[in-house]
Amino acid sequence: DSGVTQTPKHLITATGQRVTLRCSPRSGDLSVYWYQQSLDQGLQFLIQYYNGEERAKGNILERFSAQQFPDLHSELNLSSLELGDSALYFCASSVATGELFFGEGSRLTVL
Amino acid sequence: QKEVEQDPGPLSVPEGAIVSLNCTYSNSAFQYFMWYRQYSRKGPELLMYTYSSGNKEDGRFTAQVDKSSKYISLFIRDSQPSDSATYLCAMDGYNFNKFYFGSGTKLNVKP
Repeated sequence: DSGVTQTPKHLITATGQRVTLRCSPRSGDLSVYWYQQSLDQGLQFLIQYYNGEERAKGNILERFSAQQFPDLHSELNLSSLELGDSALYFCASSVATGELFFGEGSRLTVL
Repeated sequence: QKEVEQDPGPLSVPEGAIVSLNCTYSNSAFQYFMWYRQYSRKGPELLMYTYSSGNKEDGRFTAQVDKSSKYISLFIRDSQPSDSATYLCAMDGYNFNKFYFGSGTKLNVKP
């Protein structure tokens, strides 16, 4: 158990809909990272937050947004969903040492 | 050119074999290097974490970093069927902003 909690574990929705994925980092970790992993693909970096502020952005679509709250949990919002958004979405957290600890992921299926 | 290149495999070996997994990278600013193991549909699990060049050993696992060649390796000794998974390399510079991942090598250890 990495200590990073992600909900929901599975989510099935329709095209055009909006979903929110939630992540609770390990106790004491200030940084939260979001990654997308499509079938048989590597991890694609989406966005990083550090102590509530956006720190880095990757190939995140404009339809996607994220935030980190004062209690350090983070949410990833995906809107106007398309079939191609079906993927595993991982959250990871770290202290300043650079070791990333991943949650078990949220599996999104868009029908 | 991708920041990190990793042979996707699959790599199939008999139980007890020594496994060598490799990644190359292009960004000389990378200082922190990690190896993750990912079982099917699970979150990546941190295996090894190294800073700069050199070797690090942990049980049956040895990580090597050659910054002059921009080449990192993970060796698994006495491989076991339970080692069957996808292995991802990851790296970053000093900012811990993004963590660049390889696409993963799928390993199958046959009993």
